[in-house]
Amino acid sequence: GAVVSQHPSRVICKSGTSVKIECRSLDFQATTMFWYRQFPKQSLMLMATSNEGSKATYEQGVEKDKFLINHASLTLSTLTVTSAHPEDSSFYICSAPSPGLAGGSYNEQFFGPGTRLTVL
Amino acid sequence: GENVEQHPSTLSVQEGDSAVIKCTYSDSASNYFPWYKQELGKRPQLIIDIRSNVGEKKDQRIAVTLNKTAKHFSLHITETQPEDSAVYFCAASRQAGTALIFGKGTTLSVSS
Repeated sequence: GAVVSQHPSRVICKSGTSVKIECRSLDFQATTMFWYRQFPKQSLMLMATSNEGSKATYEQGVEKDKFLINHASLTLSTLTVTSAHPEDSSFYICSAPSPGLAGGSYNEQFFGPGTRLTVL
Repeated sequence: GENVEQHPSTLSVQEGDSAVIKCTYSDSASNYFPWYKQELGKRPQLIIDIRSNVGEKKDQRIAVTLNKTAKHFSLHITETQPEDSAVYFCAASRQAGTALIFGKGTTLSVSS
């Protein structure tokens, strides 16, 4: 199956600083990637859809000026949490849909390993 | 938009018993329904999926059924083992390449 990586795997920062999280598709191209946030013992909540070459689409209630998304290439999307606060502490996971690789379902999403963000 | 409801939130079974988790969805245009297993601190792992043109799919001890008319789908795990203990999520999406909307999850505990 396809591989999606994320970096960093965990980050601790001070309140008010910005943090950048990278999501890469390693062996396939992804014109679309998705960013999810997961609070402890909760489900994955879709934050935004990252589109290569155009603006990201944000879900209702997600501040686009706080969570900056840049889909710089067909294999890289970045999420920047600006002016992070303790309530932004969460597990951030990206995913990319399968383009129809052999052996994989066309609809299948490949998830990154996640980034644990802790804001002090 | 799509809304996915999942029940139960917790499920405890004895080793060897069967476990059933149920989900309903609201968007009749959804056509892809995967199930994920997630262990603490790790990414969700796809365990089985089904598309809207199929009513049932089975993979060894795991099966998924879909009722498009009623807009619900279920995960069935037979002969449960302690290593099946994890959080399971159902999800739905509209079409190829679109985002998944997840249910709230079911914590399955299998005791030996």
